[in-house]
Amino acid sequence: QKEVEQNSGPLSVPEGAIASLNCTYSDRGSQSFFWYRQYSGKSPELIMSIYSNGDKEDGRFTAQLNKASQYVSLLIRDSQPSDSATYLCAVNRDTDKLIFGTGTRLQVFP
Amino acid sequence: DTGVSQDPRHKITKRGQNVTFRCDPISEHNRLYWYRQTLGQGPEFLTYFQNEAQLEKSRLLSDRFSAERPKGSFSTLEIQRTEQGDSAMYLCASSPLSRETQYFGPGTRLLVL
Repeated sequence: QKEVEQNSGPLSVPEGAIASLNCTYSDRGSQSFFWYRQYSGKSPELIMSIYSNGDKEDGRFTAQLNKASQYVSLLIRDSQPSDSATYLCAVNRDTDKLIFGTGTRLQVFP
Repeated sequence: DTGVSQDPRHKITKRGQNVTFRCDPISEHNRLYWYRQTLGQGPEFLTYFQNEAQLEKSRLLSDRFSAERPKGSFSTLEIQRTEQGDSAMYLCASSPLSRETQYFGPGTRLLVL
């Protein structure tokens, strides 16, 4: 079992729809959770961080954390073609290093 | 705040050669991280520093790899006797505090021929 798992996709959604990206993690001791966006050939760019159970909203983005079920999700409302990218889920355990999933490729079509 | 910078952005080398990459973190960030990313995978942790102290190294960091952060500011990552399997994007990140958000630089793309 991988430490952080994501569906590789692609996840295809029409412009204006809600995109839902999911991530599960194996270590219950995980404490910090991050979503990064990565365009092809570029480096990861932070979208959201979340540390406690529940929802956290920032503009069109909402991160959801459920530690009991060991999953974290990212919702993108009013998806735009410019949101087309790979979304990486990352988790901090008891050290400072980030453990990344393999990423979910999102395609938003006009 | 100019962000994390890395140099060079691209490097092509022949197998067996040594290469060195540089990372300049965001000023006042005392934590600096190195990751490696290959196609279709998420970044994999290599090592990290708090100020000049190297606190953790991944088993991925073989004895051909060495990283330094001599004055607690910029860091270098050296790969000796490069192999084709070293071809990857090498990413540097920095953060101000433990378990806080890590901000990534643009990366150095290495191709070993």
